[in-house]
Amino acid sequence: DTGVSQNPRHKITKRGQNVTFRCDPISEHNRLYWYRQTLGQGPEFLTYFQNEAQLEKSRLLSDRFSAERPKGSFSTLEIQRTEQGDSAMYLCASSLAIGRFYEQYFGPGTRLTVT
Amino acid sequence: EDQVTQSPEALRLQEGESSSLNCSYTVSGLRGLFWYRQDPGKGPEFLFTLYSAGEEKEKERLKATLTKKESFLHITAPKPEDSATYLCAVQEGNSGYSTLTFGKGTMLLVSP
Repeated sequence: DTGVSQNPRHKITKRGQNVTFRCDPISEHNRLYWYRQTLGQGPEFLTYFQNEAQLEKSRLLSDRFSAERPKGSFSTLEIQRTEQGDSAMYLCASSLAIGRFYEQYFGPGTRLTVT
Repeated sequence: EDQVTQSPEALRLQEGESSSLNCSYTVSGLRGLFWYRQDPGKGPEFLFTLYSAGEEKEKERLKATLTKKESFLHITAPKPEDSATYLCAVQEGNSGYSTLTFGKGTMLLVSP
C-alpha cells in the first residue's frame, strides 16, 4: 500500500497521560500536515512540515502538543498531559508541491479517546 | 479570516435522484478549492481540485464546478455507495503555505 499510513488507529488513554502518534507519508511527498477532526466538524489544521522543517503551527496547537519530522520522512505528534478535550480524530496528510499542484492525501487517522 | 460554508448539512436522496451540494467561500485570493469524500471512521479521500472560476471536473457520477464565490458538487443518478460526508476545503493564495480550511461537510445518504 503506497498511501499515507497512521499508527495506532485507535488509542484510549487516561487524562494526564502522554500519547504519541506516528504518520508515514507517501514516499515521494515532501510536505506533511497534521489535522484534528471532532464529530460533525471538518478537519482543522494543526501543523505543517516541509521536509524536516516545521513551517507553521496553528493556535490550536497548545504547548502540550509537539510534532517532529526527523530526516523529512515519518512524523510523530505527541500530546502531553492529555485532557478530555483532546479526544478527536487526528489526521495526517501529505502532498508533493509542484507548481500549482498541492493536493493533500490523507491517512486513515488515529482516533484518540481520553477518559 | 477564511470561511467555508457548506449546505445543506445533510441530504437524503433516493437512488437515481440527482442533486447538488454547495460550498460557499470567502478567501483573500483563492489558490485552490478541494472536494473530499469521507466515510465514517476513515480519513478524507481526495476527489477534485478546482483552481479558477469556470473550471469543471468530472469523475463517474460526480461533477464539480467553481465560481468566484462558490463551488457545486453535482451528483447524477446517485447510488447507495455514494453515501458519505462530502467535504469542501479552500487553500488561500496569498499565504506562502498550503494549509487547507475545511467546511463542516454535507452528509449524503442515498437510499435504494
